[in-house]
Amino acid sequence: EADIYQTPRYLVIGTGKKITLECSQTMGHDKMYWYQQDPGMELHLIHYSYGVNSTEKGDLSSESTVSRIRTEHFPLTLESARPSHTSQYLCASSEIGGMPQHFGDGTRLSIL
Amino acid sequence: GENVEQHPSTLSVQEGDSAVIKCTYSDSASNYFPWYKQELGKRPQLIIDIRSNVGEKKDQRIAVTLNKTAKHFSLHITETQPEDSAVYFCAASYTGTASKLTFGTGTRLQVTL
Repeated sequence: EADIYQTPRYLVIGTGKKITLECSQTMGHDKMYWYQQDPGMELHLIHYSYGVNSTEKGDLSSESTVSRIRTEHFPLTLESARPSHTSQYLCASSEIGGMPQHFGDGTRLSIL
Repeated sequence: GENVEQHPSTLSVQEGDSAVIKCTYSDSASNYFPWYKQELGKRPQLIIDIRSNVGEKKDQRIAVTLNKTAKHFSLHITETQPEDSAVYFCAASYTGTASKLTFGTGTRLQVTL
């Protein structure tokens, strides 16, 4: 079944660690997005990509980085995690026209 | 850029009553308006969307209305049920290669028995 897969679902890790959140989609979509969301609160776009080798910063400044080497894969990396990075990170994808967007289940990240 | 305001932030209704959530947008170029439902601990799910060439769209108990002149759109849920309890987000965008959604701040809907 076509879907968006995020791993891990939950991650508790210490300050200073390097973290990579994985996102893969089998939707056949060109555009992919990363959002940061405190549970039940507003969604903030932090990164997006039009396709392979394309990455753009979103509306909310983030210390994370992304890469898009394959169409279906859009990982997010934090080089040195801090407690302020504690949040939920949602990956989404859409066709090149942008709409509609479909979301993954998210990664809930806790930095101690 | 686009700015989307959403009201109310919380809404409590009794089972069987109707619920209405309202959003306004700022960019007259926006032509696509989706609504997402997010249950506790779950991903946001698209429940209905509308494009600017229509004024209203219905899907069973859910309807969305759009007033382009006033730049506002609303979600209407009739005959509410406990499983409608969730956070609802509106969003706006123009459709195109460079498009990206701007979300409202969310409405927490509680349907009580």
